[in-house]
Amino acid sequence: AQKVTQAQTEISVVEKEDVTLDCVYETRDTTYYLFWYKQPPSGELVFLIRRNSFDEQNEISGRYSWNFQKSTSSFNFTITASQVVDSAVYFCALSEASGGSYIPTFGRGTSLIVHP
Amino acid sequence: GAGVSQSPSNKVTEKGKDVELRCDPISGHTALYWYRQSLGQGLEFLIYFQGNSAPDKSGLPSDRFSAERTGGSVSTLTIQRTQQEDSAVYLCASSLWRADTGELFFGEGSRLTVL
Repeated sequence: AQKVTQAQTEISVVEKEDVTLDCVYETRDTTYYLFWYKQPPSGELVFLIRRNSFDEQNEISGRYSWNFQKSTSSFNFTITASQVVDSAVYFCALSEASGGSYIPTFGRGTSLIVHP
Repeated sequence: GAGVSQSPSNKVTEKGKDVELRCDPISGHTALYWYRQSLGQGLEFLIYFQGNSAPDKSGLPSDRFSAERTGGSVSTLTIQRTQQEDSAVYLCASSLWRADTGELFFGEGSRLTVL
């Protein structure tokens, strides 16, 4: 079973629109970590956020915000007033304690295209 | 440089040839990961090194794939007798220790094309 599901393969918006990228995860561990990474056209993945399972407080960083809800096993990412530079593939990842290694499992990514 | 360095950035090879991909992690990072990114498939875990511990090879797709990490630093991923389905971008990442203590830092990847 897929542990990290990003159901949206591609999203296309016009600049200044708000957009939410969905991430649903599956785990039996009580301790785990969730990540979001951005992969711009240049190719290198850039870390955006890491959240542990004990901290459900939502986080805002500029135009970016994250909504973590354990009740629905979701860790959604919202970009407010999107810009062309936000165009990239965004990956959600889950790191579990199983085996003690915490190796992250990534979703398939959501390609965001922001049109001017 | 200060980031994760991978080489070559692009590699074109013929089916059946062996290839070696290199990763130089961030200095001081004990954990090193190899992932494979195929078109539309996300990131597929291959192998994980942590310090001097035995590597976690659970993600290697076949015995044609192997990896080593020398001196706890540089790592080499070797693919023997390459097949067309091996064509992908191979990503290396490092972290200070484990993902529960900090994020992974990725290199730019090595794009492998098998003709």
